[in-house]
Parts: sequence; C-alpha cells; structure tokens
Amino acid sequence: AQTVTQSQPEMSVQEAETVTLSCTYDTSESDYYLFWYKQPPSRQMILVIRQEAYKQQNATENRFSVNFQKAAKSFSLKISDSQLGDAAMYFCASYNNAGNMLTFGGGTRLMVKP
Amino acid sequence: DTEVTQTPKHLVMGMTNKKSLKCEQHMGHRAMYWYKQKAKKPPELMFVYSYEKLSINESVPSRFSPECPNSSLLNLHLHALQPEDSALYLCASSPPRFGTVSSGYNEQFFGPGTRLTVL
Repeated sequence: AQTVTQSQPEMSVQEAETVTLSCTYDTSESDYYLFWYKQPPSRQMILVIRQEAYKQQNATENRFSVNFQKAAKSFSLKISDSQLGDAAMYFCASYNNAGNMLTFGGGTRLMVKP
Repeated sequence: DTEVTQTPKHLVMGMTNKKSLKCEQHMGHRAMYWYKQKAKKPPELMFVYSYEKLSINESVPSRFSPECPNSSLLNLHLHALQPEDSALYLCASSPPRFGTVSSGYNEQFFGPGTRLTVL
C-alpha cells in the first residue's frame, strides 16, 4: 500500500515570493510516479507537475519545480514568483503502475497575499 | 478536445430520487474514474473502469451504480442516497502508457465535478 503525507495544512506566501510545499510518501514499488495537483476554489483539479521515480532530474514546469529526494521519499513543490492565481488547495499524489490508483495526500491550502 | 466534461454542474435531490451523473472525454483515454470529495479533503476513489470494464470498486454502497457505455462515456447512477452522500463528485480519465492495458496508465485528467446535495 502507498501512503502520502502533507504535513502543512495551510501555507501563505507574499505575492512574487517563493514558497515550498512539503510531501513525503511511502511505497514498496520500484516503478511509481509522483504528482502535484492544484484545486482552486473553482474546484477543477489541475495537474501541475509530474515526476517519474526512475528519473533523477527534478521536474520543472515554468514557475513550478520539484525537489525529489528518492532515498528520503520526499517530493516537495517549489512555486517561484507566486501569483494571486496560485491560491488553491495543492494535493501531492503517488501512482504506481501495478495498482492503477492515485493515492492522495491530505492537501495544503496555499494563500497568496497581495 | 482535450478536456473531461461533467454534467450537471449542480444537482439537488431527495433521498427517494433517482438521478445520474455523466462524464465524457474524447481524448482516447482508456481508463475512467469516479471520485467523491468532501470539503477540504482529498478525493476518495470510488470506481475505476479500464477498457470499459469495471476494474476497481472501492467497497462503494450499492446506491451508487457506475456504468461505462463506451470508451468515451462514464455514468454514475444514484438511487436512495443519504444526506451524507452530499459531496463533489469528480470524474477523471487517463491514457494508457504504451497503448496496452498491461502497461498501466499515465496521469489522470479531472473534470470540473458535480456538486451533489442530498436533502
């Protein structure tokens, strides 16, 4: 079984600053994927970034990047130059090929202050 | 078409009603999912369809009945629901990784959800 833990229920950041959201996971699988999803108040879940476990290079998507520490089973999300539109719930999730199921963390609510 | 659509956006129903939620995607994805999400909580998986066959049922009560008429459509039939079933119901789909069911799936793409209220 997989577990995903997000230890920060809420975070806040000043507009234009950088914030890091934490995520740890546990899995016995060797082939797995990690994701960060964003869910704004409008409620649609949007994929922010993905990381394949076999890749050592950290994934980057514009202002979003991850710090993937495989040995520590840590997968944090860094948001640079925060914008008001980044305010949302952020869910970390893991997916293992065998199970065909996403396991979500409890979520972190990010607030962006103007 | 690069999105998952869900209808209706909002639904209010009584405990004796029968209603259906609809989900549609035209991206050629071969796995489709139903999730239930309570406020400020992560989505909880209900059902998974893989190549139009039910592959995962997470011990969901029988008052929820899924149906996958074809590879693009997923329905969730509701009957005799309870007030605690009020939630956001999310549909998702994902493409096969290498074109076969045995190779697993890539990331899931979510629809906007149906906000269900049971009175």
